[in-house]
Amino acid sequence: DGGITQSPKYLFRKEGQNVTLSCEQNLNHDAMYWYRQDPGQGLRLIYYSQIVNDFQKGDIAEGYSVSREKKESFPLTVTSAQKNPTAFYLCASSVRTGAGELFFGEGSRLTVL
Amino acid sequence: RKEVEQDPGPFNVPEGATVAFNCTYSNSASQSFFWYRQDCRKEPKLLMSVYSSGNEDGRFTAQLNRASQYISLLIRDSKLSDSATYLCVVNDGGSYIPTFGRGTSLIVHP
Repeated sequence: DGGITQSPKYLFRKEGQNVTLSCEQNLNHDAMYWYRQDPGQGLRLIYYSQIVNDFQKGDIAEGYSVSREKKESFPLTVTSAQKNPTAFYLCASSVRTGAGELFFGEGSRLTVL
Repeated sequence: RKEVEQDPGPFNVPEGATVAFNCTYSNSASQSFFWYRQDCRKEPKLLMSVYSSGNEDGRFTAQLNRASQYISLLIRDSKLSDSATYLCVVNDGGSYIPTFGRGTSLIVHP
């Protein structure tokens, strides 16, 4: 079955700790994205990658970092510099940027205590 | 970044009703448009793409008005299972990066 796998599904961390969220896809998609969703809000773009070894900042990149060393993997690190990290994080992919449907993982719910 | 605006609702309708949502976008160069459905605490899933000539999928009809820069979603004969948040998505005409609206909440009651 092709799809996107995010892990962990739920994560609790203390303030000041860095956290890395995993995102793996086996759809052979070039483009991958990280979005953040807060309660009652839409999805806001953190980072995106159009191709391996390349990534671009989205609207709210401060306090986050990513890497794209392999086509199938796009991990997101939430650093201690992120002032309000508690949120629902969604990873998505598409054949390429602008190419129609986004496929989402099930999301990672991060709570910082 | 260019804006995508939706009425957050909630729209509270009885089963069998017809309900319509609008979504406005500010970037006139936007190229492609979509409606996604998101259930509570789940990931969004594609409901339908929106084509220039309008398109229909069963009880769902999507329309695009480029002159006024809005898209719409019409749901006929609402079912309880249609209760969800409906997200409007616009691909920016320059970068082709998807931009999401805040979503419109629909509650269908018996």
